[in-house]
Amino acid sequence: EDKVVQSPLSLVVHEGDTVTLNCSYEVTNFRSLLWYKQEKKAPTFLFMLTSSGIEKKSGRLSSILDKKELSSILNITATQTGDSAIYLCAVGETSGSRLTFGEGTQLTVNP
Amino acid sequence: DTEVTQTPKHLVMGMTNKKSLKCEQHMGHRAMYWYKQKAKKPPELMFVYSYEKLSINESVPSRFSPECPNSSLLNLHLHALQPEDSALYLCASSHFPNREWEKLFFGSGTQLSVL
Repeated sequence: EDKVVQSPLSLVVHEGDTVTLNCSYEVTNFRSLLWYKQEKKAPTFLFMLTSSGIEKKSGRLSSILDKKELSSILNITATQTGDSAIYLCAVGETSGSRLTFGEGTQLTVNP
Repeated sequence: DTEVTQTPKHLVMGMTNKKSLKCEQHMGHRAMYWYKQKAKKPPELMFVYSYEKLSINESVPSRFSPECPNSSLLNLHLHALQPEDSALYLCASSHFPNREWEKLFFGSGTQLSVL
């Protein structure tokens, strides 16, 4: 059975801290790994990583895929209170259409 | 327009009621999805429509009935639900079939309470 495991499950930091969120996966036919941010209701897309794109960066957020270790990290530097959210990791397979989500990491950034 | 619009935002229904959730997108996406999310849990896939045809049903009970009238609209008809069906129901869409289908655009969801 496909499996996506995120750690830590929750994290509390102060504004300005740097955080690293982890995601490991076991899937049969890996195609892609994605990070989503869920603040209140709608998850919003952050990054998609594949064999041809193992590192992505957008502002203070960056993500790396390690295909050898079957894992990914999401880094957030100089955190702000607006970064408080649940960060979901998901993996897509070559068969298409079905994403397997991890449990999410609840990040709280205190002022 | 990069939005997925879901209505209603909140819904309270009794176990004998019939109601429908609606979802609309105008991004030209040809894959649309229904997910169910319980509190503090990840989204769980329920149904996938590809080119207006049902392509995946994740063994969802028949009291949930999806419908895709056209490429922009997705409905979820609810009948005789149970209290354990209370959850956030998320609609999503994506390009399909091969062009970054995993990059889902989610609506804000319908928070459903079954009494």
